[in-house]
Amino acid sequence: NAGVTQTPKFQVLKTGQSMTLQCAQDMNHEYMSWYRQDPGMGLRLIHYSVGAGITDQGEVPNGYNVSRSTTEDFPLRLLSAAPSQTSVYFCASSFRGQSDQPQHFGDGTRLSIL
Amino acid sequence: GQQVMQIPQYQHVQEGEDFTTYCNSSTTLSNIQWYKQRPGGHPVFLIQLVKSGEVKKQKRLTFQFGEANKNSSLHITATQTTDVGTYFCAGKRYSSASKIIFGSGTRLSIRP
Repeated sequence: NAGVTQTPKFQVLKTGQSMTLQCAQDMNHEYMSWYRQDPGMGLRLIHYSVGAGITDQGEVPNGYNVSRSTTEDFPLRLLSAAPSQTSVYFCASSFRGQSDQPQHFGDGTRLSIL
Repeated sequence: GQQVMQIPQYQHVQEGEDFTTYCNSSTTLSNIQWYKQRPGGHPVFLIQLVKSGEVKKQKRLTFQFGEANKNSSLHITATQTTDVGTYFCAGKRYSSASKIIFGSGTRLSIRP
């Protein structure tokens, strides 16, 4: 099993460009989430999904869109990139049951906006 | 909104010394998870605490969930160079369906 796979690993964009960060998991996890990590800020939740067709906002959703058409995939879209979105982005997934399950993280996407 | 704070932000210790990081939430949590992130890596799950006052141990690591379900701590006894990294706590409010919020993390560095 590959676990959680994120692509690309690195990306440089110009202000105003759009792009999609891909996230796929092969563990049949219902719960998937996107975090951004900035120095000294920890991991901040952008959007999350508890199953196919269901998404919700996290702490810092502005400037990002998500969709969950399948259990396996949870892409994150930047509609019009801004320098403030320069960050490391992590996708995570877990089972969703009566109690919380550990989140499995991808290797991250390092995104720079010029 | 829910906030999860961790202190200290940084800790630099001599190898062999003990290390403790504290996690404090503004709201009551249904559980606490702890993760470790090595430099340049991704967070890796360490443990989950679900009961008030719960204490769990993993070799040199001791995890504690506070009596009021609003704070937690991670204590490492006799640190080793392999302990280097950033330690995060993460929690979820009872009233939140699925939103798991991470603390700001404590970065541990070690002098050999």
